[in-house]
Amino acid sequence: AQKITQTQPGMFVQEKEAVTLDCTYDTSDPSYGLFWYKQPSSGEMIFLIYQGSYDQQNATEGRYSLNFQKARKSANLVISASQLGDSAMYFCAMRERGFYNTDKLIFGTGTRLQVFP
Amino acid sequence: EAGVAQSPRYKIIEKRQSVAFWCNPISGHATLYWYQQILGQGPKLLIQFQNNGVVDDSQLPKDRFSAERLKGVDSTLKIQPAKLEDSAVYLCASSSPKQDADTQYFGPGTRLTVL
Repeated sequence: AQKITQTQPGMFVQEKEAVTLDCTYDTSDPSYGLFWYKQPSSGEMIFLIYQGSYDQQNATEGRYSLNFQKARKSANLVISASQLGDSAMYFCAMRERGFYNTDKLIFGTGTRLQVFP
Repeated sequence: EAGVAQSPRYKIIEKRQSVAFWCNPISGHATLYWYQQILGQGPKLLIQFQNNGVVDDSQLPKDRFSAERLKGVDSTLKIQPAKLEDSAVYLCASSSPKQDADTQYFGPGTRLTVL
């Protein structure tokens, strides 16, 4: 069975500093994808970054980068130069291949990030 | 480009009442998902549509939950009768296999409170 683990229930970081949010996964499927979403207190899930299992380079998207270590089955999110607006819940998710070549996401339990001045 | 729309944003009902949620996906997205997110947990898939057909409803409590996607665009999720444990945020998402590695984009959610 596929599984996503986020071991940090909460993290604190000072503004302008970098922070790493941990995510490990377990799958026997050789083709998979890993996603990070941000969920502010308003409730919407905002897509941040994606990494495919066959991608050779770590994904980057602005201040977000994904530290993908396939052998260790980890896909940690790195946020550089933290801003107060980064305070939110962050979810790691793994794509599980379903019928008709569509995808189902399996989510972790999330990490609450708080950025302080 | 307009995002995924959901309504209502908030709903409070008493147990045993019925409730319905509406979702309009991103234009052109063939796949639509309904997730349930209980407080303190990650979202859990309830049902997945490909156009107007159900692809996966294995985790939908079919004795009380139902969903439809007429004409392959808008979708409605219904709960009848509601139980206390149905209190959660109901998230709708959509994706396109031809775009963005099939990334799922979410709406703002409907926060349901069952009293």
